[in-house]
This record gives sequence, structure tokens and C-alpha cells, in this order.
Amino acid sequence: EIVLTQSPGTLSLSPGERATLSCRASQSVPSNFLAWYQQKPGQAPRLLIYGASSRATGIPDRFSGSGSGTDFTVTISRLEPEDFAVYYCQQYGSFPGTFGEGTKVEIK
Amino acid sequence: QVQLQESGPGLVKPSETLSLTCTVSGGSISGYFYNWIRQPAGKGLEWIGRIYTSGDTNYNPSLKSRVTMSVDTSKNQFSLKVGSVTAADTAIYYCARGSGWFDPWGQGTLVTVSS
Repeated sequence: EIVLTQSPGTLSLSPGERATLSCRASQSVPSNFLAWYQQKPGQAPRLLIYGASSRATGIPDRFSGSGSGTDFTVTISRLEPEDFAVYYCQQYGSFPGTFGEGTKVEIK
Repeated sequence: QVQLQESGPGLVKPSETLSLTCTVSGGSISGYFYNWIRQPAGKGLEWIGRIYTSGDTNYNPSLKSRVTMSVDTSKNQFSLKVGSVTAADTAIYYCARGSGWFDPWGQGTLVTVSS
């Protein structure tokens, strides 16, 4: 199965700053079938990005996804207070689908 | 909009079977894949498996020998059974819709395996 490694484990930033989160796959993700989720404490994950770069319905345009093959990134252009959370990547191009371990974006 | 809600016992004894149901509201259950995903406390997410509304299933090979999923379209529900549970099966269990990415998700239900 494809192993996804997310970095950094924790990102300490201030509101208004730019956040760049990385997800690296152990092998190429077929068709760039990669999604990103945001999870806040006590809540279910929420879909942000699918197909590596397509924003899900209702997701603000400060969130953007990019990448292909084995290297993917989600960028939050200017952090809002509600963006501090844990972010997971997930590949669905190869069976079984797998998730990364997550990156926590915390307030500096 | 479509909403999913998990239900079932919060405590299961070791070696017994964990059983959960997910109810789909706000729309028809038909024509979609539905998934179970779990998350141990403080840890990451693990995809357990999925079922299509025809009843076709795919399970994660890591759990396949212990997992059974079923669907009841008349009740807009689908279900998960995990047999021979151990403490390692303690987790928040989520149901979610989708054939690749997952959206929407249920709120999750905590299942603890303990005697």
C-alpha cells in the first residue's frame, strides 16, 4: 500500500501568515488522486481538497492544493483563527486508500 | 444536505463483535459508496472498508478477515461488524460517503473495547 508521510508534524504560525503543508507518497499516486482534510478537536474531518487541487464545496479560496506524482502540498495563504487544526492527506488512487499521519497547525 | 449519523454500543467486550449502524438523512442512500473509517484517540485515520448500495463491498486487507458490511436501502442505513475485537480496536468510528475522497462524514462514535 502507498504510505503517505506528512511534514512538518507541527507548524507554529501566527494568524495572517502563510502555511505550507507537505504530503509525500512512497510511490506515485495514480491520477493524482489525493485529498486533504481539516480536523478540529472533537470533530470529524472535513474535506478541503480532492484531485490534488480542486477545492471542495464551500472551502475558502485561501486554501489551495498542488502537486503530482509523489509530492503534494496544501497552502493556506493567510491563516484565519479558525484554520488552526490538524490536516490530513489521503490517497485514493491505489487500493487500499491510505491517510498520512497529519500536520498540526498551531498558534504561535 | 445529506447527513450521516453513527449509532451503536459504546462499549464492547474483548473477543466479541462490534456492531455499528450509519443512518443517512436528507437524501436517498442509493447510488453511492459508503465507508467506515476509524481513529484511535490522538492518532491518525484508518480506512476500514466500503459498501455500495448494491451490496458490493471492499475491505482493507488489514481487517478483511474480521469485517462485514451490509446495507439496508429501505431504512437508509448501512452497517459495520468487526469480530474478535481487542483493545486495539478502541477508536472513534466514522461513516462517510464517497468512492474516493470522503464527504460528508458522520460526527463519529467512540467504541471502547474493555471487559
